[in-house]
Amino acid sequence: SQKIEQNSEALNIQEGKTATLTCNYTNYSPAYLQWYRQDPGRGPVFLLLIRENEKEKRKERLKVTFDTTLKQSLFHITASQPADSATYLCALDSNYQLIWGAGTKLIIKP
Amino acid sequence: ETGVTQSPTHLIKTRGQQVTLRCSSQSGHNTVSWYQQALGQGPQFIFQYYREEENGRGNFPPRFSGLQFPNYSSELNVNALELDDSALYLCASSLGGRTENTEAFFGQGTRLTVV
Repeated sequence: SQKIEQNSEALNIQEGKTATLTCNYTNYSPAYLQWYRQDPGRGPVFLLLIRENEKEKRKERLKVTFDTTLKQSLFHITASQPADSATYLCALDSNYQLIWGAGTKLIIKP
Repeated sequence: ETGVTQSPTHLIKTRGQQVTLRCSSQSGHNTVSWYQQALGQGPQFIFQYYREEENGRGNFPPRFSGLQFPNYSSELNVNALELDDSALYLCASSLGGRTENTEAFFGQGTRLTVV
């Protein structure tokens, strides 16, 4: 069956460290993968999009990798800050739709 | 803020009733997608409208229907509400009839509670 898996347990990181979140998928062959941030009671906010022929994408303190062989994307936040605390969702394309993971809650401790 | 506005922000309905949710897309965007997000889950794609035509639908029953207007605003209608329809309903606007290869801008959502 098709699955998108993100770590369901909250990730606790000390301020200033690098946070790494994982998105694994099975039985999909996405051409695109996106990462979003969602705060409680709010809609998701777009962060980064990476294409299947791109290994890595960066935006300020954010970095995304996309390994189509491992069927995995990693999302990194360097020099993390308490304001980075939120739920982070990955989404990939399937039949021109976005299919979403359940998200990982990230908590950055001062 | 994304420029995508949803109304109402919260709504309580009784099982069996009908509900209409509204979305104003970001200026210049011609594509609107609707999602249902249950607590602790990722958004589930309901359907998408591009230039007033439905151009994609997820695994939702026909009692979920929608419209897109000439100004690209959109409505989501749900008939015969069930308790499981309780969720956050999200609207996202984008450009070009696709969402998987471009940034989508989400509204703040409508929290629907069915009792």
